[in-house]
Amino acid sequence: DGGITQSPKYLFRKEGQNVTLSCEQNLNHDAMYWYRQDPGQGLRLIYYSQIVNDFQKGDIAEGYSVSREKKESFPLTVTSAQKNPTAFYLCASRGLAPEETQYFGPGTRLLVL
Amino acid sequence: AQKITQTQPGMFVQEKEAVTLDCTYDTSDQSYGLFWYKQPSSGEMIFLIYQGSYDEQNATEGRYSLNFQKARKSANLVISASQLGDSAMYFCAMRERLNSGYSTLTFGKGTMLLVSP
Repeated sequence: DGGITQSPKYLFRKEGQNVTLSCEQNLNHDAMYWYRQDPGQGLRLIYYSQIVNDFQKGDIAEGYSVSREKKESFPLTVTSAQKNPTAFYLCASRGLAPEETQYFGPGTRLLVL
Repeated sequence: AQKITQTQPGMFVQEKEAVTLDCTYDTSDQSYGLFWYKQPSSGEMIFLIYQGSYDEQNATEGRYSLNFQKARKSANLVISASQLGDSAMYFCAMRERLNSGYSTLTFGKGTMLLVSP
């Protein structure tokens, strides 16, 4: 089955710690995205990547970093510089034109201890 | 400025009735796309339906239809014959083309739909 996987489902971070969220897709999509969702809010774009070894900052990139070494993988690191990291993180990949529909993974809930 | 507006924080509907979830958008682009996603309590975002700005007919997918009124910049989701499993958050989103040539989605704040027996 083609799809997007995210791990872990829940993640706990201590003060001053960097943590990495995994996102893998086997849909053969070029573009991938990371979003953050806070309670009662819509999704906000953190980073996106159109192709391997290229990525762009979204609306709320401060305190986050990404890499795109393989087409299938787009990990997100939440650094200690992100002062309010508690949120639900969703990864997506984008299908073909003209619709360019984004398909999402199941998400990772990050909690700060 | 808010680009996607969903004015209904919550909606209640009885099972088997139809319900309309409102969405208005703001863009100066001629070519854009509008999407609706469903987010159940598990958290995953499930794609429901797509409408392109040049599509002349309203999109339909099973019990979902999109009431697209381009001049009014509205893209309301209509769910016919509601089921208990339709209880979830619903998000309207718009595809935008950035200066870089890439496209991203901008989301509204969502509407919580509760379907009662």
